[in-house]
Amino acid sequence: KAGVTQTPRYLIKTRGQQVTLSCSPISGHRSVSWYQQTPGQGLQFLFEYFSETQRNKGNFPGRFSGRQFSNSRSEMNVSTLELGDSALYLCASSTSRSGPNNEQFFGPGTRLTVL
Amino acid sequence: DQQVKQNSPSLSVQEGRISILNCDYTNSMFDYFLWYKKYPAEGPTFLISISSIKDKNEDGRFTVFLNKSAKHLSLHIVPSQPGDSAVYFCAASDSDSWGKLQFGAGTQVVVTP
Repeated sequence: KAGVTQTPRYLIKTRGQQVTLSCSPISGHRSVSWYQQTPGQGLQFLFEYFSETQRNKGNFPGRFSGRQFSNSRSEMNVSTLELGDSALYLCASSTSRSGPNNEQFFGPGTRLTVL
Repeated sequence: DQQVKQNSPSLSVQEGRISILNCDYTNSMFDYFLWYKKYPAEGPTFLISISSIKDKNEDGRFTVFLNKSAKHLSLHIVPSQPGDSAVYFCAASDSDSWGKLQFGAGTQVVVTP
């Protein structure tokens, strides 16, 4: 079974631009979560989508948004980029069954650099 | 507000010995805990998990212990191997928002020959 894929793997943008990152979950997984990893803040939860609906949201400004499509693929968008948005953005998918054994499986991440 | 804490940023252990990684949490609503391993420039890889109804879970060389009264969990790796050198993250979730994992800061493990 193919793992979680994320595109692009690397991205360089300038301040003020916007960016869209894509995530394809493991086949059969309906929940997709997004995380930001930075050296100073560690791994922080952005949001989670299930059946095209945002189910959980972290403490990030409204510049960070996402969506999920009917095939469970997800995109996240960051508008008006700031230097502090430079980070590794990770996508994770899970089966979305409640309770134990519902591990999240992560993709390789997209490394975003804002200049 | 860091609800999951890994207070040891690094751990050095000899090959063949036991690695013990610790994690503390403050939110009593957490009922599912996971350990992930991460290499640079890669996404975290799931290692092992434990539900709050258990106090121990074992999978091969990896064992996780949960002490709910102390809000503490630990990961034991026996025996440690050079390929275990990586950053290890503890994560937790609660049943109301189990799609949201809260991570500790990570512990860098170095296994020396």
